[in-house]
Amino acid sequence: GAVVSQHPSRVICKSGTSVKIECRSLDFQATTMFWYRQFPKQSLMLMATSNEGSKATYEQGVEKDKFLINHASLTLSTLTVTSAHPEDSSFYICSARDRVTYGYTFGSGTRLTVV
Amino acid sequence: QKEVEQDPGPLSVPEGAIVSLNCTYSNSAFQYFMWYRQYSRKGPELLMYTYSSGNKEDGRFTAQVDKSSKYISLFIRDSQPSDSATYLCAMRPTYNQGGKLIFGQGTELSVKP
Repeated sequence: GAVVSQHPSRVICKSGTSVKIECRSLDFQATTMFWYRQFPKQSLMLMATSNEGSKATYEQGVEKDKFLINHASLTLSTLTVTSAHPEDSSFYICSARDRVTYGYTFGSGTRLTVV
Repeated sequence: QKEVEQDPGPLSVPEGAIVSLNCTYSNSAFQYFMWYRQYSRKGPELLMYTYSSGNKEDGRFTAQVDKSSKYISLFIRDSQPSDSATYLCAMRPTYNQGGKLIFGQGTELSVKP
């Protein structure tokens, strides 16, 4: 089946530093990737939608300068949390949409802790 | 009013019970319906996928969609402790809203041995 690899699975960083999270579709091409944020015992909150080769579309209230998204190829998207602060601590999940089957596959998530 | 409503639970059942999970929605344009299972600190995994109305069965899982009532269900037969997880319904319309899915709040299920 379709597999999405998300790295790192867990990261601890100091306040003020930047963190990059990678999302790769391993056995399919993804024209569209989605980035979510999830708080404990809550549902997924869509942050942005990225299409290969174009700028990401951010949801209302999401700071595009803080959460930089790059989707340079059909198999890779990255989320960079810039100048991270403790309030950015959360569980971040990516999802890739197969360009052929239109199926959605999720990564295993990244637990970000900013200290 | 949220586009998709799902009882967050938590729901606790004994092993072997039949579990019924439900979502209601307000957008009549929704045509694609999915159920995801999410274990703690993991990404969601697709359980069932249904297009438009009807039933779909896969092993112990049955998904039902009633578009006239804007109501979808997931039934789990002979529930097992390994089914303990959060279950999320998700849906999207036929027309392209960027392809993004609309999720319910998720129902936390615990199956006790």
